Amino acid sequence: AQKITQTQPGMFVQEKEAVTLDCTYDTSDQSYGLFWYKQPSSGEMIFLIYQGSYDEQNATEGRYSLNFQKARKSANLVISASQLGDSAMYFCAMRDLASIMKTSYDKVIFGPGTSLSVIP
Amino acid sequence: GAVVSQHPSWVICKSGTSVKIECRSLDFQATTMFWYRQFPKQSLMLMATSNEGSKATYEQGVEKDKFLINHASLTLSTLTVTSAHPEDSSFYICSALGFSYEQYFGPGTRLTVT
Repeated sequence: AQKITQTQPGMFVQEKEAVTLDCTYDTSDQSYGLFWYKQPSSGEMIFLIYQGSYDEQNATEGRYSLNFQKARKSANLVISASQLGDSAMYFCAMRDLASIMKTSYDKVIFGPGTSLSVIP
Repeated sequence: GAVVSQHPSWVICKSGTSVKIECRSLDFQATTMFWYRQFPKQSLMLMATSNEGSKATYEQGVEKDKFLINHASLTLSTLTVTSAHPEDSSFYICSALGFSYEQYFGPGTRLTVT
């Protein structure tokens, strides 16, 4: 069964510093996608970054980068130059792309999340 | 980016009544939509996968008769919480799959059952 682990329930970072949020995953499939989402207190889910399992380069989106280590099954999110507005819950998620080809059943599962607080 | 709407954004209902939540993809057709439930300070728990024109696929532990899902068109999926009880109070979020890997989330619906 697929599983996402985020071992840091809460993290603090000084404004303008970089922070790494950990994510490890477990899957027996070779084809999958990894996501990071941000959820502020308003509840909306904000897409941050995506990494496909066959992508050779680590994904980057502005201040967000994904440190993808396939052999270790980890997909850590790095936020550079933290801002006060980065304070939120962060979720790592995985989509099993292989299941799309096997059946019409497709799903995305989420990790437990990390609460990030940026300190002025 | 693509937009997914949910209606209502919040609802309060009495115990024993049923509540319908709508999820619409506004500018694209979504063959697959997901319904999630989120308790305070917890992660999103996948309830079911909704496929247009076919029965929803429910996750283990989710009661099909309790949470009725209908995906009647490529732009609309509905979740009906039947005979709601206070323990059904939660934040319900839908999402729709885009053409490649994108997943677009609705803003969520906060349900309170009194």
